[in-house]
Amino acid sequence: SQQGEEDPQALSIQEGENATMNCSYKTSINNLQWYRQNSGRGLVHLILIRSNEREKHSGRLRVTLDTSKKSSSLLITASRAADTASYFCATGRYNNNDMRFGAGTRLTVKP
Amino acid sequence: DVKVTQSSRYLVKRTGEKVFLECVQDMDHENMFWYRQDPGLGLRLIYFSYDVKMKEKGDIPEGYSVSREKKERFSLILESASTNQTSMYLCASSFKLAGGAGEQFFGPGTRLTVL
Repeated sequence: SQQGEEDPQALSIQEGENATMNCSYKTSINNLQWYRQNSGRGLVHLILIRSNEREKHSGRLRVTLDTSKKSSSLLITASRAADTASYFCATGRYNNNDMRFGAGTRLTVKP
Repeated sequence: DVKVTQSSRYLVKRTGEKVFLECVQDMDHENMFWYRQDPGLGLRLIYFSYDVKMKEKGDIPEGYSVSREKKERFSLILESASTNQTSMYLCASSFKLAGGAGEQFFGPGTRLTVL
């Protein structure tokens, strides 16, 4: 069964605003990763956060992880039209090499 | 740059045909994965492999098989294609990390249509 579930399913904002997407999962994890997919293209890795980390930054991206609530959030600050894409969270379990993806959040940034 | 290539971008097959989807990576990754992506369902794991000749079922292995004879190549086989296997198929690879899987690198995908 799918591990992660993103919320909301779709998000539409104006350029310059912040976008927040959430991910909930069901079992214990080793790490959680966020990916972006532009329309009709492959997925690109954005950031990996380990289970013993609470927050991580990469440029305009900020990811938080709350293992007690089994949830993570991705914040994109000062959004741009080029950030329009689908965003997926993926979880990896301990001592497993597989990853499970959620259904994704479709972000639209209007210029 | 890591490169994951898939044999075809678009493929059209007939019901009942045997279909081979090939994936090659050039970064010496231990792990390789096959997913299918359908609207509203996200990515679902079909099979993955953590070493040559090793494979494990994902969430939806029925109707599929895989082969990994060389480290760089992971093949997905549809034994007898059916219309419900029409989908986008994505291959990915990654290193192993301590305790689990690392960052995945994806191929461009193969859009398969089964008529």
